[in-house]
Amino acid sequence: AQTVTQSQPEMSVQEAETVTLSCTYDTSENNYYLFWYKQPPSRQMILVIRQEAYKQQNATENRFSVNFQKAAKSFSLKISDSQLGDTAMYFCAFRPGSGGSNYKLTFGKGTLLTVNP
Amino acid sequence: DAMVIQNPRYQVTQFGKPVTLSCSQTLNHNVMYWYQQKSSQAPKLLFHYYDKDFNNEADTPDNFQSRRPNTSFCFLDIRSPGLGDAAMYLCATSRGLAGTGGNEQFFGPGTRLTVL
Repeated sequence: AQTVTQSQPEMSVQEAETVTLSCTYDTSENNYYLFWYKQPPSRQMILVIRQEAYKQQNATENRFSVNFQKAAKSFSLKISDSQLGDTAMYFCAFRPGSGGSNYKLTFGKGTLLTVNP
Repeated sequence: DAMVIQNPRYQVTQFGKPVTLSCSQTLNHNVMYWYQQKSSQAPKLLFHYYDKDFNNEADTPDNFQSRRPNTSFCFLDIRSPGLGDAAMYLCATSRGLAGTGGNEQFFGPGTRLTVL
C-alpha cells in the first residue's frame, strides 16, 4: 500500500514571497502519478499541478512548480510570488499508473498555508 | 462551465435518520466518486461508479450506499447516520479510471453533514 506524508501541518508566508511545501511518499510502484490539490476555505478542491513519475522534468504551472526527486520519493511544491488567494489547505496525492487500483488517490494529511498581507 | 455540483452544501440530520446527498456533473465523465473528509483529515474514498459498475472500498461501512441512476447524477445514502458520520462529503468525477493523462479527478464543493 502507498503512503503519503506531509510533515508540515501548517505554514505561513508573506504575500509576494516564495514558500515550499513538503511531501514524501512510499511505494513499490515504478509508474505512478503525483498531484498537488488546493482546497480553499469552504470551496472546492482543485488540481494545482500534476507530475508523471516517468518524466524527469519537473512540472510547472505559472507560479507553481514541483521538485520531484524519484529516488528520494520526494515531491515538494514551490509557490512563487505568493498571493492572498493562495491561502488554502494543500494536499499531496499519489495514484498508481497501473494495476487494479490505478484510479485510487492516496492523499496526505494536508498542509494549511496562510498567506499574510 | 462544465462542473461538479453538490446539493445541499450543508445538511443537518438526526442520529439514525436516513439522509441522501446529491451530486451531479456536466462533464459527461464516466466515473463518479464519493469521499468522506473529516475535520483536518485527508479525503477518504468510500466508493466509485464506473458507468453503472459500482465499486465499494473494502473498509466502507455498510451504512453507506450509493446510487447512480444516469451518467449525470450520483447519490450517497447514509442509512442510519451516527455522530461519527459527521463530515464533509466530496463528490468527484473523472473521464476514465486508467492512470494515464486526462483522467484527473475533478471535485465538487462538498456537502457538510451535521448529525445531531
